Amino acid sequence: QVQLVESGGGVVQPGRSLRVSCAASGFTFSNYGIHWVRQAPGKGLEWVGVIGNDGDVQYYADSVKGRFTISRDNSKNTLYLQMNNLRAEDTAVYYCAKEPQKYRGPWYFQDWGQGTLVSVSS
Amino acid sequence: EIVLTQSPGTLSLSPGERTTLFCRASQSVSSNSLAWYRQKPGQAPRLLIYGASNRATGIPDRFSGSGSGTDFTLTISRLEPEDFAVYYCQHYGSSPITFGQGTRLEIK
Repeated sequence: QVQLVESGGGVVQPGRSLRVSCAASGFTFSNYGIHWVRQAPGKGLEWVGVIGNDGDVQYYADSVKGRFTISRDNSKNTLYLQMNNLRAEDTAVYYCAKEPQKYRGPWYFQDWGQGTLVSVSS
Repeated sequence: EIVLTQSPGTLSLSPGERTTLFCRASQSVSSNSLAWYRQKPGQAPRLLIYGASNRATGIPDRFSGSGSGTDFTLTISRLEPEDFAVYYCQHYGSSPITFGQGTRLEIK
């Protein structure tokens, strides 16, 4: 079955960088767009961005545009989120989530990872 | 950006009761591109409804969604213990995706 496993979270100082990963299995990774969604402690869900199935297209939320970059390695079935110039307000659990249909699928999410916590603090 | 406003913020109910949750969009949601999720503490969200009224795989028929344009509802016909959680609506018809702020369903 579909599995998405995030890793790489931790504590990082403001202004520094961190890269988190999402390892996928149980489906043909290269056929699906994948999203990042985050959730600050005790708060609601916030969409971060998406990368198309072959990596050619990315869209980002305004709150992270210019600081975060989503990439993927289809040969390794892995998605990445490179976060630069981190701020306290980026503190959240970061989830990767898979689109339900191949290629340019609708942007709702049947499959989610368990999340990885990123804490930005001095 | 489409802003989604959920109401009420919190509901206190008992198992076995029926309830309806509301989600209002700041502008019309294209093609009824509206989904609902349930999130239990410490877990990722679980998809309940997509396309405003289609139940996701494995979701029991006590969950139903309806609505169009700017007003959407999620109805749970008979609350089970596992339904006491936070519910989010999400639009996906255009970028950026946005979520509502959530409705917390708690045991009375």
